[in-house]
Amino acid sequence: DQQVKQNSPSLSVQEGRISILNCDYTNSMFDYFLWYKKYPAEGPTFLISISSIKDKNEDGRFTVFLNKSAKHLSLHIVPSQPGDSAVYFCAGSNYKLTFGKGTLLTVNP
Amino acid sequence: DTGVSQNPRHKITKRGQNVTFRCDPISEHNRLYWYRQTLGQGPEFLTYFQNEAQLEKSRLLSDRFSAERPKGSFSTLEIQRTEQGDSAMYLCASSLMWQGAGETQYFGPGTRLLVL
Repeated sequence: DQQVKQNSPSLSVQEGRISILNCDYTNSMFDYFLWYKKYPAEGPTFLISISSIKDKNEDGRFTVFLNKSAKHLSLHIVPSQPGDSAVYFCAGSNYKLTFGKGTLLTVNP
Repeated sequence: DTGVSQNPRHKITKRGQNVTFRCDPISEHNRLYWYRQTLGQGPEFLTYFQNEAQLEKSRLLSDRFSAERPKGSFSTLEIQRTEQGDSAMYLCASSLMWQGAGETQYFGPGTRLLVL
């Protein structure tokens, strides 16, 4: 039972454009959602989070949107930069984290 | 650097041997988590501690796995009689949990285990 799904294994965008990464979940008990960025052979790096009682959180170039009725969240990166190229994981939290399988983002110069 | 640290970063062992990994959390973080990540998957929860108490263990954690967090500081994860299926990246994360706030977990660099 995959409680968190990232249906796009990969995404390729041009530098300066918007990157939109999507995530769906089934567990209504998650009270917090987080996005992590991961480079090969390194641990995940925290990017941004959102409480389940909010619908939007913004931090610089990163914005996370939460649609509770659809059980869907998305991460927007504007403008995208080549250094953003990495695997992005969505996670739901009810203390422990449940991760999706990740989306490989490639930002082309 | 006051982030989460893990040692060793890489471990190669033969099937049947015991291995032990160490995690040093961010100081004053009261929660410490262990996750395991295999190729093409997201990290999967193994176990967690609040201070020195181990509060939950995943069904993924067989009897060959044991974790400790003496004195609520660093933690160790031991795997006895390793099997090839134990090959994975073992990740440690720590967080500061207090009432009424969301909990953000910060991860270490991981220990990559290869069982031959």
